[in-house]
Amino acid sequence: QQQVKQSPQSLIVQKGGISIINCAYENTAFDYFPWYQQFPGKGPALLIAIRPDVSEKKEGRFTISFNKSAKQFSLHIMDSQPGDSATYFCAASKEHGSGNTGKLIFGQGTTLQVKP
Amino acid sequence: DGGITQSPKYLFRKEGQNVTLSCEQNLNHDAMYWYRQDPGQGLRLIYYSQIVNDFQKGDIAEGYSVSREKKESFPLTVTSAQKNPTAFYLCASSIYSGTGSYEQYFGPGTRLTVT
Repeated sequence: QQQVKQSPQSLIVQKGGISIINCAYENTAFDYFPWYQQFPGKGPALLIAIRPDVSEKKEGRFTISFNKSAKQFSLHIMDSQPGDSATYFCAASKEHGSGNTGKLIFGQGTTLQVKP
Repeated sequence: DGGITQSPKYLFRKEGQNVTLSCEQNLNHDAMYWYRQDPGQGLRLIYYSQIVNDFQKGDIAEGYSVSREKKESFPLTVTSAQKNPTAFYLCASSIYSGTGSYEQYFGPGTRLTVT
């Protein structure tokens, strides 16, 4: 019930292409879904996040698509650049209501390589 | 310059020794977290604290201990009871309001190697 499953494990995309990473969750009480970007040897950085009251959120080249009925959400990176090469983690948590702790449940991560 | 500081960046210890990892934040965040990251794996929660003098176990607390005596500090001790302590340790913090955002911000991490 607490798992977040992320796919693919690794992804290679040509410069200018679209990178798509998918996540699925089980707990319907989750109401906050962030994506983090991590470069080697660094801490993860919050990239973009969505809450289930909207189906899509866009910030620059990064878009989250959210499908509440399917319990899935995905990250789309448009016009992918070599500088986007990093590991991406999806996560989920329960922000509101009883039992909210802010605890994030992370997916396993996707290593993205954007080829020049 | 606001943020989360973890020190040291690299730490080496002999098996059987306890070691304490430092985490300090000047963001005035209420909640702090410790995660462990192993190669090719996601982040696993060790301990978290929502307010001073209170903390809860995460998913993999065995062999670890924490304290939260000050709002800005949340040190993690890796004890000799931890079977496989070599890993990348990440500290995070977030505002805990009960109704607002729980956006977590991470420190730069400490890579611990135990031989």
